[in-house]
Amino acid sequence: GAVVSQHPSWVICKSGTSVKIECRSLDFQATTMFWYRQFPKQSLMLMATSNEGSKATYEQGVEKDKFLINHASLTLSTLTVTSAHPEDSSFYICSASGGPGDGYTFGSGTRLTVV
Amino acid sequence: SQKIEQNSEALNIQEGKTATLTCNYTNYSPAYLQWYRQDPGRGPVFLLLIRENEKEKRKERLKVTFDTTLKQSLFHITASQPADSATYLCACLEGEAGTALIFGKGTTLSVSS
Repeated sequence: GAVVSQHPSWVICKSGTSVKIECRSLDFQATTMFWYRQFPKQSLMLMATSNEGSKATYEQGVEKDKFLINHASLTLSTLTVTSAHPEDSSFYICSASGGPGDGYTFGSGTRLTVV
Repeated sequence: SQKIEQNSEALNIQEGKTATLTCNYTNYSPAYLQWYRQDPGRGPVFLLLIRENEKEKRKERLKVTFDTTLKQSLFHITASQPADSATYLCACLEGEAGTALIFGKGTTLSVSS
C-alpha cells in the first residue's frame, strides 16, 4: 500500500530556533500534500495544503511566514517552523492524496517540543 | 462551513460486543465520508470510505452507514477485541470543491477483556 514517511518522529528545540519536518511519499507521486497540527485530546487541524511547484494555501489563522512549506518535488514536502516558541509545541502530521485506494495516507507524525 | 461532530469522546465496551460510533456533519451532504483509526502518538490510518449514494459498506468486522436525511454516519465494529482500542476519526472534504480532509474530534474506544 501507499506509504508516507515523515521525519523526524520527535524533536526538541530551543525557543527561537527553526525546525524542519520532512514528508515523503515513498511509492507514489503526491501532487498534493497536507499539513495538520494536533494538540492533546484534540482533532487534527488543517494548517495548509501544498501543491507541487506552487505556493501553499494556508488555512485562516495560520501564519505563512512562521510555518514555511515547500513542495519542490512530487514526493517531498517540508514544513519549517521558524523562530519556534513553546506554544508551537504540538504533534505535526502530513498527509498525501494520490496513492492507491480510496483514503488519504498519513505520515506517522512529528512531536515537536519547544523549550 | 462544514463541520464534523463526533459527540462521544469515549466509549467503553466489553470484548465480543459491537461498538457503534456516531459522526454527524452540519452543512451540505459530502460526496463521501471517511473513517480513520489513530493510535496514540501515530498518524491516522485509513479504514473505510462511504459515498453519498451508498447506504452501507463493510470490510471484515467493520461496517459503515451513511444517512443523508439524518446527516449522519455510523461506524460499527462487531466482535470487538482489545486490539480495536484506539481513537476513531470521521472525516470529509473541507469544501465541496476542496481536496483537504477535515476531521471530527474522534471517539476513543476502549475494549476490555
